[in-house]
Amino acid sequence: EPEVTQTPSHQVTQMGQEVILRCVPISNHLYFYWYRQILGQKVEFLVSFYNNEISEKSEIFDDQFSVERPDGSNFTLKIRSTKLEDSAMYFCASSADNYGEKLFFGSGTQLSVL
Amino acid sequence: AQKITQTQPGMFVQEKEAVTLDCTYDTSDPSYGLFWYKQPSSGEMIFLIYQGSYDQQNATEGRYSLNFQKARKSANLVISASQLGDSAMYFCAMNPFAGGTSYGKLTFGQGTILTVHP
Repeated sequence: EPEVTQTPSHQVTQMGQEVILRCVPISNHLYFYWYRQILGQKVEFLVSFYNNEISEKSEIFDDQFSVERPDGSNFTLKIRSTKLEDSAMYFCASSADNYGEKLFFGSGTQLSVL
Repeated sequence: AQKITQTQPGMFVQEKEAVTLDCTYDTSDPSYGLFWYKQPSSGEMIFLIYQGSYDQQNATEGRYSLNFQKARKSANLVISASQLGDSAMYFCAMNPFAGGTSYGKLTFGQGTILTVHP
């Protein structure tokens, strides 16, 4: 069964450093998302992306975050200057349509900011 | 705004028995979708089942069924014949079908940890 692939599975970085989290969505999907889950808390929506632009973002997704689909297969989340509170599991998700009926998540990247 | 409430922080069930995980929701949107995801200790989010608010019948996917009661705003997950591998965190989530809102913008509940005993 096709799946959403995320790399790396774990990322450790120093506070203030830039990180790029990578995702390969399911190949025929057109809608892409990033979510995050701080340890012990709910999964939270960050951003949705369609047709090479952001379609919606949450208040969490401030200027230090950006997303990109650089080559038609990868979908990346960049955090420009990481903070301690950015430590979380980051999930990429994709869907074929805009109903979100079949929203598939990747296995996540655990980001630790030291 | 949408809100999902899962009132059971933890549930225990004997292997081979059925278990119901509760989920209630609140929304002002006339149409919406309801989801259940499983998160094992390894951390990935596994899609289990989906129910549209417009669906007349309750959704089923193998051992999973969704007991959808629209008037009560509840979307409980029923797992039949529990297996040891079902031990995990389970999240209920929803998305609105409101114009202008990304349909993949899910609102999640707090989760329920299910432990299956042999």
